Amino acid sequence: AQSVTQLGSHVSVSEGALVLLRCNYSSSVPPYLFWYVQYPNQGLQLLLKYTSAATLVKGINGFEAEFKKSETSFHLTKPSAHMRDAAEYFCAVKGNTDKLIFGTGTRLQVFP
Amino acid sequence: KAGVTQTPRYLIKTRGQQVTLSCSPISGHRSVSWYQQTPGQGLQFLFEYFSETQRNKGNFPGRFSGRQFSNSRSEMNVSTLELGDSALYLCASSSRTSGGAADTQYFGPGTRLTVL
Repeated sequence: AQSVTQLGSHVSVSEGALVLLRCNYSSSVPPYLFWYVQYPNQGLQLLLKYTSAATLVKGINGFEAEFKKSETSFHLTKPSAHMRDAAEYFCAVKGNTDKLIFGTGTRLQVFP
Repeated sequence: KAGVTQTPRYLIKTRGQQVTLSCSPISGHRSVSWYQQTPGQGLQFLFEYFSETQRNKGNFPGRFSGRQFSNSRSEMNVSTLELGDSALYLCASSSRTSGGAADTQYFGPGTRLTVL
């Protein structure tokens, strides 16, 4: 069975500061891992995905994530936060079925 | 390419009624999945259709059903609506070219269902 845990339902940073959103996964098979972002009243937009090709994955809008098998983690980072990054972020895992298992989400606030 | 479209965007129904939501996938995508998003339960998988066949099903009662047409468009139906069915219903499509698990699912804007 697969699952993901997102630590911290709310994260607040100042504009220009480092963004770190945490995700730990549990999977009995090699996982496929995804980060999605959701802006108010919108659907989910893919930021990046890990499919075993490379452990450091670069995504859109300056985000990246590193797959660490030893820590079962796939944390999302961005060196410098921008006001437009304020949104809800979801980590998700797929195993050997096609359905996405989502974490509970982390709401990112960016202060000027 | 146009993205995933969902209609209607907003819907208000009363308890006991039924509702049908529609999803048009990205052109060329043959897999459509449905998710329910609520503040209490988060994002939960409902079901997935591929080539008009249901491939996976989540843990929802039989009041929730779906189908897929030959043009890959999908509909989701909820019968005998309950207050707890109020949610954002998201549809996602994928191409399913790499066997499934590694495929990216692209989401539509969702249908906001309110049950009174």
